[in-house]
Amino acid sequence: QSVLTQPPSVSAAPGQKVSISCSGSYSNIGVNYVSWYQQLPGTAPKLLIYNTDKRPSGIPDRFSGSKSGTSATLDITGLQAGDEADYYCQTWDNSLTAVVFGGGTELTFL
Amino acid sequence: QLHLQESGPGLVKPSETLSLTCTVSGGSIRGSTYYWGWIRQSLGKQLEWIASMYHSGRTFYNPPLKSRVTISVDTSKNQVSLELSSVTAADTAVYYCARTSDASGSYSDSWGQGTLVTVSS
Repeated sequence: QSVLTQPPSVSAAPGQKVSISCSGSYSNIGVNYVSWYQQLPGTAPKLLIYNTDKRPSGIPDRFSGSKSGTSATLDITGLQAGDEADYYCQTWDNSLTAVVFGGGTELTFL
Repeated sequence: QLHLQESGPGLVKPSETLSLTCTVSGGSIRGSTYYWGWIRQSLGKQLEWIASMYHSGRTFYNPPLKSRVTISVDTSKNQVSLELSSVTAADTAVYYCARTSDASGSYSDSWGQGTLVTVSS
């Protein structure tokens, strides 16, 4: 069971917007940065968002991150075929003194 | 462009030690401001951080795994190594080498392709 809770799956239509939630606690999301990763089938995770709301070079602005209290959110607008993937949130937990991940959310198209 | 490549046995027997090496190219571990570490992904897709290390020797381990894990860096070979002792079937996973921003693992911006390790007799 993951320290960070994500919905197992979300569905949306191409062109629409989807939001993926990541719920934690004060000791992790509450006081630390959150990062998000995209994992396409058979490949390694790829960094999408770091320091809660920053995009690495090359990541389109269709991807955005935010945080409120002990929850973080990844928003993806203008969904495209290549966005079908698994998405994971990650942060540091001060109580566990460990990097922790969410269980992952599978994004599929309707 | 930074490239990380994991290597090691794909099959390990229960109770034995899993040993993996990550070779870094396109950048130097020595003098880097990043940490270098290992993350694994079970067949059920759950990601689990194992350990991270700075080239100076400072290390951080995931507490549940700490007693079985050794991470090391060879700056002369630009390699990061992982040893996991007393393995069981629960250690079967894809093991990734990754470059990490800092000691608290804020983010990992470069990953190897991963290597599947199966624990079985």
